[in-house]
Amino acid sequence: GIQVEQSPPDLILQEGANSTLRCNFSDSVNNLQWFHQNPWGQLINLFYIPSGTKQNGRLSATTVATERYSLLYISSSQTTDSGVYFCAVELNTDKLIFGTGTRLQVFP
Amino acid sequence: DAMVIQNPRYQVTQFGKPVTLSCSQTLNHNVMYWYQQKSSQAPKLLFHYYDKDFNNEADTPDNFQSRRPNTSFCFLDIRSPGLGDAAMYLCATSTGSYNEQFFGPGTRLTVL
Repeated sequence: GIQVEQSPPDLILQEGANSTLRCNFSDSVNNLQWFHQNPWGQLINLFYIPSGTKQNGRLSATTVATERYSLLYISSSQTTDSGVYFCAVELNTDKLIFGTGTRLQVFP
Repeated sequence: DAMVIQNPRYQVTQFGKPVTLSCSQTLNHNVMYWYQQKSSQAPKLLFHYYDKDFNNEADTPDNFQSRRPNTSFCFLDIRSPGLGDAAMYLCATSTGSYNEQFFGPGTRLTVL
């Protein structure tokens, strides 16, 4: 089956720093989403981005489908950015397959 | 605001005592999903409904069942919970293949 690997697995930042999270997938996909899971466990949609680049405030994402990776950029990080970031991909069904996750901690 | 709602947010049950988790949506989406997420792991799909069509994952234990009485509601029934079933259970919805999925806040299940 498809492999979805995220890096780094853990990231510790000071408030104000920038970071890049990476998602690699082993097969062609029809859908890619980025989520932030907050400390209470809720998955919050960040981007629906099967290809191209999108920006939303301090966050932006780029997916290069032909090279099978996606990047999530976080600029000027804040303590509220802490949590786990997941990418998830969909092949040719209704099912999302989640990546391994990146745990981000932002300290003041 | 349109949303996905899960009740209860926290559920405690005893080993072997049946439990039902509830999900409702105001998005009027065709597809509803149930995921299980154990500590420090990624969410794992248990099953999903496309309208009334039920799709079970091959590795979902028989102990887990689901009902979707109408478009808005979907239930997860755990017939005889074991200690290994303690997890966060996440409900999600979408309009169909290749479309964005939206998640509820989850129900954290504890099995004593």
